[in-house]
Amino acid sequence: SQKIEQNSEALNIQEGKTATLTCNYTNYSPAYLQWYRQDPGRGPVFLLLIRENEKEKRKERLKVTFDTTLKQSLFHITASQPADSATYLCAPILGGYNKLIFGAGTRLAVHP
Amino acid sequence: KAGVTQTPRYLIKTRGQQVTLSCSPISGHRSVSWYQQTPGQGLQFLFEYFSETQRNKGNFPGRFSGRQFSNSRSEMNVSTLELGDSALYLCASRVQGEESPLHFGNGTRLTVT
Repeated sequence: SQKIEQNSEALNIQEGKTATLTCNYTNYSPAYLQWYRQDPGRGPVFLLLIRENEKEKRKERLKVTFDTTLKQSLFHITASQPADSATYLCAPILGGYNKLIFGAGTRLAVHP
Repeated sequence: KAGVTQTPRYLIKTRGQQVTLSCSPISGHRSVSWYQQTPGQGLQFLFEYFSETQRNKGNFPGRFSGRQFSNSRSEMNVSTLELGDSALYLCASRVQGEESPLHFGNGTRLTVT
């Protein structure tokens, strides 16, 4: 069955550094992958989408990579700020109108 | 444009009761999905409705059901509540298009005692 793995332990980094979060998937080949941010007590908010034929996607301080050989996506936040502290979820998605399945998420804490 | 609205925001029920949660999607969005979120299991997919038809279903028991109305509003029902049903229930809508992202509401926090 499809399996998605994100670091279960929280990632603690210093303000100004680059945060790198990992999303690994097994037993399927997604056509694209979405990343979301979730703050406590709120619903997830969509950040970025990357397609299988795209190696890298950028949006302001965010960068996502998609390696279909390694079955992995990396999510980078450069020049991190305390306001970036949240849980980040990945969702590798099959083509068509398949359901969106999420990883468990990685909690990021950026310290001043 | 108003976001996804879920009601009620908080709910306390006792074991054995049933509950109905409501979701109003963003105007123009015809797809509505429901998720259960718990600390131990993360976001678990319940079901997705599109134009009043269930398009996808997760691995939940039959006690969990849903429906969608002609105006795209959706409800989910949980019958014979169990303690393990305590969770944050999230609804999300999206436009037609397989790449389109989900727009989530802020959920209904259900506590079963």
